[in-house]
Amino acid sequence: AQSVSQHNHHVILSEAASLELGCNYSYGGTVNLFWYVQYPGQHLQLLLKYFSGDPLVKGIKGFEAEFIKSKFSFNLRKPSVQWSDTAEYFCAVTLYGNNRLAFGKGNQVVVIP
Amino acid sequence: GAVVSQHPSRVICKSGTSVKIECRSLDFQATTMFWYRQFPKKSLMLMATSNEGSKATYEQGVEKDKFLINHASLTLSTLTVTSAHPEDSSFYICSGSIQGLNNEQFFGPGTRLTVL
Repeated sequence: AQSVSQHNHHVILSEAASLELGCNYSYGGTVNLFWYVQYPGQHLQLLLKYFSGDPLVKGIKGFEAEFIKSKFSFNLRKPSVQWSDTAEYFCAVTLYGNNRLAFGKGNQVVVIP
Repeated sequence: GAVVSQHPSRVICKSGTSVKIECRSLDFQATTMFWYRQFPKKSLMLMATSNEGSKATYEQGVEKDKFLINHASLTLSTLTVTSAHPEDSSFYICSGSIQGLNNEQFFGPGTRLTVL
């Protein structure tokens, strides 16, 4: 079955540490890839997205993600996190030409000051 | 830009009653709106997709008669949970997308439904 996998649901790290969240998908066709963030008490916001072109995508707040087609992956990274990055992060995928989003289970990230 | 609101933000109802949740796109016309359900510590599960003026397309396993979706205008979609039961308690989130904008969806803040 088609799916989106996120590992390490709970991540705890200190400020200034580097963050990497893994995302793998099992769709066989051309995909559009997204990372969304949900800060405590707030709605989902788009961090970054990939449709085509440069597989290294820069997003808001210093986040970036790399699409590796051969690995069916779209990992999210930030070199140095801040306390304000405490949030839940969701990877999501749509098939090209299809607007239905499939979400991973999310990563709960807690940054300790 | 691209703000989506939901009303109410929280609702508590008795078992057997029906609850209507509104989703509005405030500053854009949403050609397509989506309804998701989010369980604690789990991902968002797409329930249905609706296009303005058309019947909603439900995902497998979602009861059409229980979760009634209406998308009467380009700025409003409603989800009615009919004859609600405690197992329907959940966080319901809507989103809207703009035709031709590379499928990006803009999410509402969600509605917490508790059925007693």
